[in-house]
Amino acid sequence: DAGVIQSPRHEVTEMGQEVTLRCKPISGHNSLFWYRQTMMRGLELLIYFNNNVPIDDSGMPEDRFSAKMPNASFSTLKIQPSEPRDSAVYFCASSLPESPWRANEQFFGPGTRLTVL
Amino acid sequence: AQKVTQAQTEISVVEKEDVTLDCVYETRDTTYYLFWYKQPPSGELVFLIRRNSFDEQNEISGRYSWNFQKSTSSFNFTITASQVVDSAVYFCALSDLKLVFGAGTILRVKS
Repeated sequence: DAGVIQSPRHEVTEMGQEVTLRCKPISGHNSLFWYRQTMMRGLELLIYFNNNVPIDDSGMPEDRFSAKMPNASFSTLKIQPSEPRDSAVYFCASSLPESPWRANEQFFGPGTRLTVL
Repeated sequence: AQKVTQAQTEISVVEKEDVTLDCVYETRDTTYYLFWYKQPPSGELVFLIRRNSFDEQNEISGRYSWNFQKSTSSFNFTITASQVVDSAVYFCALSDLKLVFGAGTILRVKS
């Protein structure tokens, strides 16, 4: 079975440009998580969806960041406009429908390495 | 406040040595979950174990073992007879109302 799929794997863009990161969770998983990993701040949970609905977006750093999950098999994380400090590895993870969500084992994608020049 | 501390930034051992990775957590909740994840050089995070706050039984899985002690708020991870393939960054995570990861411990196993 395919794991969590993220695209692109690498993205280099210039400051001010819009960036869209994509994620396809594992089929049958109903929870989806977006994380950001940097040397300075470590691994941070940005937002969590359950059944396509955003449940907790308190980790989203600024209004420049937005995330959507239009259906069970696709999610996007958008940064507009991007800034150099957004450079990081962005991970998507999904998990099975267990209750409570915070007990779940998460399956991580390979990540997208974003560089904003 | 919710917090996970992995005091060991980096550990280097020689193959076949045992190594323990420390994790200390803080939470006000009585119900919470603790996790360990491994991040090998390839970059993806891999789930290793989950433990809930009501289950203090230690667990062994092959060369891996975990020691959960609520009295000291610790959830330590031991690798017995380490191998080069164990080289990775290991993260401890706490999930109560939020999900928080520790800063990670870099483990280098030399042959």
